[in-house]
Amino acid sequence: DTEVTQTPKHLVMGMTNKKSLKCEQHMGHRAMYWYKQKAKKPPELMFVYSYEKLSINESVPSRFSPECPNSSLLNLHLHALQPEDSALYLCASSQEAPGLSPLHFGNGTRLTVT
Amino acid sequence: AQSVSQHNHHVILSEAASLELGCNYSYGGTVNLFWYVQYPGQHLQLLLKYFSGDPLVKGIKGFEAEFIKSKFSFNLRKPSVQWSDTAEYFCAVRDTGRRALTFGSGTRLQVQP
Repeated sequence: DTEVTQTPKHLVMGMTNKKSLKCEQHMGHRAMYWYKQKAKKPPELMFVYSYEKLSINESVPSRFSPECPNSSLLNLHLHALQPEDSALYLCASSQEAPGLSPLHFGNGTRLTVT
Repeated sequence: AQSVSQHNHHVILSEAASLELGCNYSYGGTVNLFWYVQYPGQHLQLLLKYFSGDPLVKGIKGFEAEFIKSKFSFNLRKPSVQWSDTAEYFCAVRDTGRRALTFGSGTRLQVQP
């Protein structure tokens, strides 16, 4: 079983809703990531946090808003999404030393936008 | 920007057959290389990784991969596959200046009993 916990597992939301995805890890990792995975496609990077600071934003639309309240938690706030945003959203974490630690992935949240 | 190519999109094998999945990347600097597996309905799991040293790395479940720097390749191998190896396999690359992974398009492996 994975050590990165994501909630909820499934989420259905309308285009006017506001919702949040949550991710938690207790491995002491200081780098955390959001990836988006469409069906039959590889994961695509959205955001990277390092020591609770946003270090990479892959030109993600502002309707996705990440937040890292502490070293164990990572949120993704969703607002005014489009149906094409429906996907599996994956959280991952790693130790902060670049090049020394693989990413550990959560099970993901399967998001459907109606 | 770096890119990762997996040329085999869908592979069908019988049990006990040998497996080799190709992976090529485009970044010329120092890289870390990974193979991840995603079983149906499950999360991405690390199969093996290469950071430095011996270019032949062994992972879990009998998998191994060979890093050939001159060919920018990191092919995954297993001498004898099992039905339980049916899954999606992703090659991933990280240059040492950037924390995040870039994934290949994935190879769907189907092992028939």
